[in-house]
Amino acid sequence: QQQVKQSPQSLIVQKGGISIINCAYENTAFDYFPWYQQFPGKGPALLIAIRPDVSEKKEGRFTISFNKSAKQFSLHIMDSQPGDSATYFCAASMIGSGGSNYKLTFGKGTLLTVNP
Amino acid sequence: DAGITQSPRHKVTETGTPVTLRCHQTENHRYMYWYRQDPGHGLRLIHYSYGVKDTDKGEVSDGYSVSRSKTEDFLLTLESATSSQTSVYFCAISDRGQGSYEQYFGPGTRLTVT
Repeated sequence: QQQVKQSPQSLIVQKGGISIINCAYENTAFDYFPWYQQFPGKGPALLIAIRPDVSEKKEGRFTISFNKSAKQFSLHIMDSQPGDSATYFCAASMIGSGGSNYKLTFGKGTLLTVNP
Repeated sequence: DAGITQSPRHKVTETGTPVTLRCHQTENHRYMYWYRQDPGHGLRLIHYSYGVKDTDKGEVSDGYSVSRSKTEDFLLTLESATSSQTSVYFCAISDRGQGSYEQYFGPGTRLTVT
């Protein structure tokens, strides 16, 4: 059972455009939603994360929008650059309980290509 | 970068042979995780550890075992490798005590089972 559904699988954006990646989750116990960025040949690295007590979090050109009632969250990359070309993964975890041992459940990933 | 190394970085092995992958950390983090990454599947948790000698199964644990005898080392063993275990394996670490929930990933091991 896939608990975090991510779309689209791939995305092509022109330089300067906005990239939007969406995720939906099923388990209402999830209370931590990070986005990871992965370049070819490298391990994933945390990009930005949000807790459900806020509806939006912004760090530079990257913004997470969170809709608790719809059980959805999305990553927006403003002014997309060729250097943003990478695979992006959303994830979810139950950190409040502690008993989950902070395991992450990942979406299947989105390959973003930003054309110059 | 978090002090995580994985060895070997690349390995080709034959079906039916045992394989052990090693994850070593220098951060003294409590939690360690093994994931596999496959096209179309993203990252899937194999096993994880929440302390020395404390381990548990993830969502795709069949055919894998783990051991953690020291804080810094987390071993993943394929008892009898199969072609379906061809994948890229990532180790990750985290430490709630640092006030962060971030998982730091290693560079990965590419395993090919022929």
